[in-house]
Amino acid sequence: AQKVTQAQTEISVVEKEDVTLDCVYETRDTTYYLFWYKQPPSGELVFLIRRNSFDEQNEISGRYSWNFQKSTSSFNFTITASQVVDSAVYFCALSEAASGTYKYIFGTGTRLKVLA
Amino acid sequence: GAVVSQHPSWVICKSGTSVKIECRSLDFQATTMFWYRQFPKQSLMLMATSNEGSKATYEQGVEKDKFLINHASLTLSTLTVTSAHPEDSSFYICSASFRRGSYNEQFFGPGTRLTVL
Repeated sequence: AQKVTQAQTEISVVEKEDVTLDCVYETRDTTYYLFWYKQPPSGELVFLIRRNSFDEQNEISGRYSWNFQKSTSSFNFTITASQVVDSAVYFCALSEAASGTYKYIFGTGTRLKVLA
Repeated sequence: GAVVSQHPSWVICKSGTSVKIECRSLDFQATTMFWYRQFPKQSLMLMATSNEGSKATYEQGVEKDKFLINHASLTLSTLTVTSAHPEDSSFYICSASFRRGSYNEQFFGPGTRLTVL
């Protein structure tokens, strides 16, 4: 069965530190998609990235980078030089093609607190 | 593009009343819409999937008679919480999706915070 595990419930860092949020997934499907979303206190989900199972290339977008490793079923997210505005809950999600509807399975989220 | 709205953004109601939440895709036609529920400090849990013109598919453990979903058009889905009780207080988020290449891309609404007194 599909599952997403975010083992880190809460992380606190001091501003300008680098921080990595872990995401481990389980799926039997060969075609799937992985996502990261940010949920600030307002509650609205902010899309950060989508990766498909055939593209293991890592990606960098400004201070954000993602490391996708199929061998370990992980899709980790690193924020470089964190800022107070990065404080939020971050969710990793999995979507399988086999579901037909591509419904999302969310991890439990990691609450990131960046202290000034 | 790909904007999804929800109305209302928040609602407070008395126990026993019914509440309707609307989810609209503003600039695209959504083949499928999804409804999620999020309790405080918890993850988003999928409640149901709905396709335009057909009955919703509910996830295990979600009472279909309590959470009525109507997907009458390609741009509108509604969730009605019938006879709401305090334990139904939660943040309800919808998403709307359409086919993009080989994939159904989902776009999320801003959420509706329901408080049942």
